[in-house]
Amino acid sequence: QVQLVESGGGLVKPGGSLRLSCAASGFTFRDYYMYWIRQAPGKGLEWVSFISNSNIYTNFADSVKGRFTISRDNAKNSLYLQMDSLRAEDTAVYYCARPRTAGGYSSGVDVWGKGTTVTVSS
Amino acid sequence: DIVMTQSPLSLPVTPGEPASISCRSSQSLLYSNGYNYLDWYVQKPGKSPQLLIYLGSNRASGVPDRFSGSGSGTDFTLKISRVEAEDVGVYYCMQTLQIPLTFGGGTKVQIK
Repeated sequence: QVQLVESGGGLVKPGGSLRLSCAASGFTFRDYYMYWIRQAPGKGLEWVSFISNSNIYTNFADSVKGRFTISRDNAKNSLYLQMDSLRAEDTAVYYCARPRTAGGYSSGVDVWGKGTTVTVSS
Repeated sequence: DIVMTQSPLSLPVTPGEPASISCRSSQSLLYSNGYNYLDWYVQKPGKSPQLLIYLGSNRASGVPDRFSGSGSGTDFTLKISRVEAEDVGVYYCMQTLQIPLTFGGGTKVQIK
């Protein structure tokens, strides 16, 4: 079945780095844009970044621009989020997510992973 | 950035009764193709969000027909015709017209 499984979360000190991974299965990964979306403890959802299916286009929320990098390996059906210069406010559950249709950031995010927890604290 | 505003923040509901959640956007979500780029999601306790409605009024696969989305431009509504106990959770609207994609603050639906 269609599945996204995140990994790589953990506890990191402010200013540190972490790399999240997302393993995709059950669909043609290379056809889809992919997202990272996060949720701080007790808070709402915040879109973090997207990457195009061809790896050419990326975009980031202002809150992470210049600190986070998104990438993918279509041969490995994997999505990544490199997080540098981490701050306490980056503490959240990070979800890997897929839009409903292939080829763009379409309306509807219909596949979500279970999330991986990142805690930034000294 | 497009700001999404939901109301109410909290919605106590009685099973079998209807419920309605409002979402307003700071800019029109109606694109030139005639579609409104507005989604609805529910996040049940301890779970990942799940898609309910896309393009303003289209139910996602597997979503019961008691859920419906309506509205256009800047004003949207999610309606549950007859609330069931399993519908408890936090409901979010999200716009996908432009980057950054933005969510409403959420509406917590709970049983009275």
